[in-house]
Amino acid sequence: QKEVEQDPGPLSVPEGAIVSLNCTYSNSAFQYFMWYRQYSRKGPELLMYTYSSGNKEDGRFTAQVDKSSKYISLFIRDSQPSDSATYLCAMRGSNAGNMLTFGGGTRLMVKP
Amino acid sequence: GAVVSQHPSRVICKSGTSVKIECRSLDFQATTMFWYRQFPKQSLMLMATSNEGSKATYEQGVEKDKFLINHASLTLSTLTVTSAHPEDSSFYICSARDPGQGSFFGSGTQLSVL
Repeated sequence: QKEVEQDPGPLSVPEGAIVSLNCTYSNSAFQYFMWYRQYSRKGPELLMYTYSSGNKEDGRFTAQVDKSSKYISLFIRDSQPSDSATYLCAMRGSNAGNMLTFGGGTRLMVKP
Repeated sequence: GAVVSQHPSRVICKSGTSVKIECRSLDFQATTMFWYRQFPKQSLMLMATSNEGSKATYEQGVEKDKFLINHASLTLSTLTVTSAHPEDSSFYICSARDPGQGSFFGSGTQLSVL
């Protein structure tokens, strides 16, 4: 079993839909949680960065962390075709030198 | 967010040559940088952790003599693929951590070895 599980998709939604992307993990030491968006042949772009449990909102994006369930989510409201990309969740422990552990990525397609 | 600059974005080279990829943190100091490799439609695979002023830490299965990493300053890390062969063709991405802000990635380098 992988440390971080993420449905690879593809997830296809119509423009304007609310998108829900999720990751589960097994390591209770993870404290920092991130969501990245990656377009084809580009480096990942940091969308959300959260510490411990709770919600964080930034524009159309909302990140949720439930440490008790070891489950994190990214919601995208009013999805746009330009949101079509692969979304990667990532997490790490509290030590500053900890490397990130990534999910496998979910490919999202938003159709006009 | 913080900016990580990676160059070149694309390299095509002959088998047996060496290729150097640069990764710079433009507006913050990064004591630690990470180098990843990514195959098509797959997630990132960590190759090594680069620490400023000390030797890099390589992941299991990554040849340190093949992939030379130098982190000579707080804003620059380089990855040199020595004596590149076609099987080294891949997408290479660097990452730098801005304390309290998260980890930021370069734009990636597509290496094609002929």
